[in-house]
Amino acid sequence: GENVEQHPSTLSVQEGDSAVIKCTYSDSASNYFPWYKQELGKRPQLIIDIRSNVGEKKDQRIAVTLNKTAKHFSLHITETQPEDSAVYFCAASSGTGNQFYFGTGTSLTVIP
Amino acid sequence: GAGVSQSPSNKVTEKGKDVELRCDPISGHTALYWYRQSLGQGLEFLIYFQGNSAPDKSGLPSDRFSAERTGGSVSTLTIQRTQQEDSAVYLCASSLTSSGGYEQYFGPGTRLTVT
Repeated sequence: GENVEQHPSTLSVQEGDSAVIKCTYSDSASNYFPWYKQELGKRPQLIIDIRSNVGEKKDQRIAVTLNKTAKHFSLHITETQPEDSAVYFCAASSGTGNQFYFGTGTSLTVIP
Repeated sequence: GAGVSQSPSNKVTEKGKDVELRCDPISGHTALYWYRQSLGQGLEFLIYFQGNSAPDKSGLPSDRFSAERTGGSVSTLTIQRTQQEDSAVYLCASSLTSSGGYEQYFGPGTRLTVT
């Protein structure tokens, strides 16, 4: 089955700096890669996703890049703000069985 | 519109008792997932349904855990003879369909505490 690894597990940045979270996956059949943000005590919510036919996707301060050859994808947050502080999860899905495999999460702290 | 709902929001039970957790997915969503999240941990996959069938039960931790879905809608996760290590937040999610990779919408979770 699929194995998704996520790094780092914790990340602290100064407000205004950029944050990068990286994930690797093992199953070359995976073709859908969502990122979820979970604030303390709340449910995970999708913030951005990318499909395997695209190399990069951007939404305001958030971007995701995908390298299919190397089997890794990354979340980039620019101009970080305190409200970006949360746990971020990456996931991979092959789409054939709709099984989602989640990374272990990155706790991001943005220091004002 | 209505999102994914779960009940109860909190459940405290004594060790050895059985519990039932309920999930109401978004109307029209054919895929439904159960996850377990221990304090400060990631999302542990338990089981998923496509319609009423469960193609993948590999994540269920033990035979004390079971789940069913009826009418392609509501799902219940049952934990028999609860143990203290079952204490966690149980999250349910639904998505539109089983293929092509679609966003999962999560419910608010049920916080289970086994004393």
